[in-house]
Amino acid sequence: KQEVTQIPAALSVPEGENLVLNCSFTDSAIYNLQWFRQDPGKGLTSLLLIQSSQREQTSGRLNASLDKSSGRSTLYIAASQPGDSATYLCAVNTGRRALTFGSGTRLQVQP
Amino acid sequence: EPEVTQTPSHQVTQMGQEVILRCVPISNHLYFYWYRQILGQKVEFLVSFYNNEISEKSEIFDDQFSVERPDGSNFTLKIRSTKLEDSAMYFCASSRGGFSGDYGYTFGSGTRLTVV
Repeated sequence: KQEVTQIPAALSVPEGENLVLNCSFTDSAIYNLQWFRQDPGKGLTSLLLIQSSQREQTSGRLNASLDKSSGRSTLYIAASQPGDSATYLCAVNTGRRALTFGSGTRLQVQP
Repeated sequence: EPEVTQTPSHQVTQMGQEVILRCVPISNHLYFYWYRQILGQKVEFLVSFYNNEISEKSEIFDDQFSVERPDGSNFTLKIRSTKLEDSAMYFCASSRGGFSGDYGYTFGSGTRLTVV
């Protein structure tokens, strides 16, 4: 059974810092991995989708990498801003018609 | 950018009542899903739906739950007799492609269900 773990559970940084969020998964037979952002009490906003054949994806200040063989992905946020404060979720797709989510990293960026 | 729309945003119901949560997936998407998130817990898969039938369901999706695509645009989740433990945020999602993972999922903003 696929298990997804995210560390750290919470992170507080001053504005302007670069930061890395980590995601690990136990079954490397994945089709893709997706990073989402969730604001308190709100829905899930897709940030980046990495296919299993890809090593990384970039969107603006966000860069996600994938090392399928070791079961790891990282989300790099450059020059963090207070508006980046949210919970970041990673989810893996093993092709069994469902995403398996991690518990998320709650990020607070201090002005 | 196309969105998945969910209504209502918040529903309060008495235990034992039936509720129907509604979703309008993105128009050219073919695969539809329901997930839920109990407060403070992980997002959990409930059911996937393709070609007018359930493709897969989790152990959470018991006989109290049902899904339907009553017309060409809506996708609904029905809970027949709600329990206190059904209180959660329910998310609808859709994807354009197949289960092989070529496409990502787009999620709606959720319906917060509170059973009292």
